[in-house]
Amino acid sequence: DAEITQSPRHKITETGRQVTLACHQTWNHNNMFWYRQDLGHGLRLIHYSYGVHDTNKGEVSDGYSVSRSNTEDLPLTLESAASSQTSVYFCASSDRSGSGADTQYFGPGTRLTVL
Amino acid sequence: DQQVKQNSPSLSVQEGRISILNCDYTNSMFDYFLWYKKYPAEGPTFLISISSIKDKNEDGRFTVFLNKSAKHLSLHIVPSQPGDSAVYFCAASPGGTASKLTFGTGTRLQVTL
Repeated sequence: DAEITQSPRHKITETGRQVTLACHQTWNHNNMFWYRQDLGHGLRLIHYSYGVHDTNKGEVSDGYSVSRSNTEDLPLTLESAASSQTSVYFCASSDRSGSGADTQYFGPGTRLTVL
Repeated sequence: DQQVKQNSPSLSVQEGRISILNCDYTNSMFDYFLWYKKYPAEGPTFLISISSIKDKNEDGRFTVFLNKSAKHLSLHIVPSQPGDSAVYFCAASPGGTASKLTFGTGTRLQVTL
């Protein structure tokens, strides 16, 4: 069955370290998204991609970067982790169906703690 | 600026009764709306959606109503079951080829026995 996976599921790191969160989908979807979930804010969009070599900034992109070298993967990198980036991170993907907004399918999340 | 608002952080309903979750939006460009359900330690899962050309969409126990003039939508769950206890997120999109979603802050539903 097609799926979307994230790794690691839990990560503890120190302030200033570079961290990369992995996202892999086997749906063969064009679109991939990264969100963070924080209490009182819901899910906020960090970066997104509509295809290979395409990346775009979302609502809260400062301090994060992504790259899309193939259809299946969209890794999220925190260049220099800060305590404010402690959060739960979700990756999602969708297929551009052309019939309106595309339903997004979410991974299980990565809980990141920055000490 | 919260473009999608869920003003009730929590809701408690008895099993068998109706659960009504509300969502308001401010951006007139939104024309497609979705509800997601999230259990602890899992990713959100798609529940039901509605296009702005409709005012109601039904799927089993779940119905979404859209009032465009009031920029308001609601999710009705009838009858509510204990397994419905979760956090529900409302999301909106301008649709078309730009399918970015803007999410609300979520409502935690607890269905009691």
